[in-house]
Amino acid sequence: GNSVTQMEGPVTLSEEAFLTINCTYTATGYPSLFWYVQYPGEGLQLLLKATKADDKGSNKGFEATYRKETTSFHLEKGSVQVSDSAVYFCALSDVRVQGAQKLVFGQGTRLTINP
Amino acid sequence: GAGVSQSPRYKVAKRGQDVALRCDPISGHVSLFWYQQALGQGPEFLTYFQNEAQLDKSGLPSDRFFAERPEGSVSTLKIQRTQQEDSAVYLCASSLVWSTQETQYFGPGTRLLVL
Repeated sequence: GNSVTQMEGPVTLSEEAFLTINCTYTATGYPSLFWYVQYPGEGLQLLLKATKADDKGSNKGFEATYRKETTSFHLEKGSVQVSDSAVYFCALSDVRVQGAQKLVFGQGTRLTINP
Repeated sequence: GAGVSQSPRYKVAKRGQDVALRCDPISGHVSLFWYQQALGQGPEFLTYFQNEAQLDKSGLPSDRFFAERPEGSVSTLKIQRTQQEDSAVYLCASSLVWSTQETQYFGPGTRLLVL
């Protein structure tokens, strides 16, 4: 079945460092890909998404490109801030009955940014 | 506007008790999803509604789990005869339409602890 594999955490970086969180997927068909973020004490929020191959999603300085040839959707940010400390989840949509958008999530990567 | 709300936010139950978890989706959202998130893991799909119709319940772990959305808005997830392995955060999400490209908006979750 469909699955998502994320870079294992936790990841600890200094402020202004470059961030990459790897995400690869296995899917039949052409899923949409998502990054969700969970800040401490808050619910899951959509960070960015890409719906077809070679699309680039971006938001708040984060970017990820849908690479069909490598089945990857790596999350990157050029200069992280303390406020980026959170748990990041990669996910894909899995078409089920009548186009339902069941999400399949990776296990999450905890990111801590030190000042 | 108002986001997805869930109640209660925390629930402690004794093993064998029945519990009911409520989800209020964003007004007008057609699709509603329930996910289960174990500690340190990504969310896992439980069930999906399109309006009042439950179109996919393949993720419900046992027949002790039951979900309904009788009027196509508020949904309730019921767990009968709770077991310790049911301890998790239960997340509700809604989306405007049923599409693999559509963003799901998550509620804050209900943290269930079964003693």
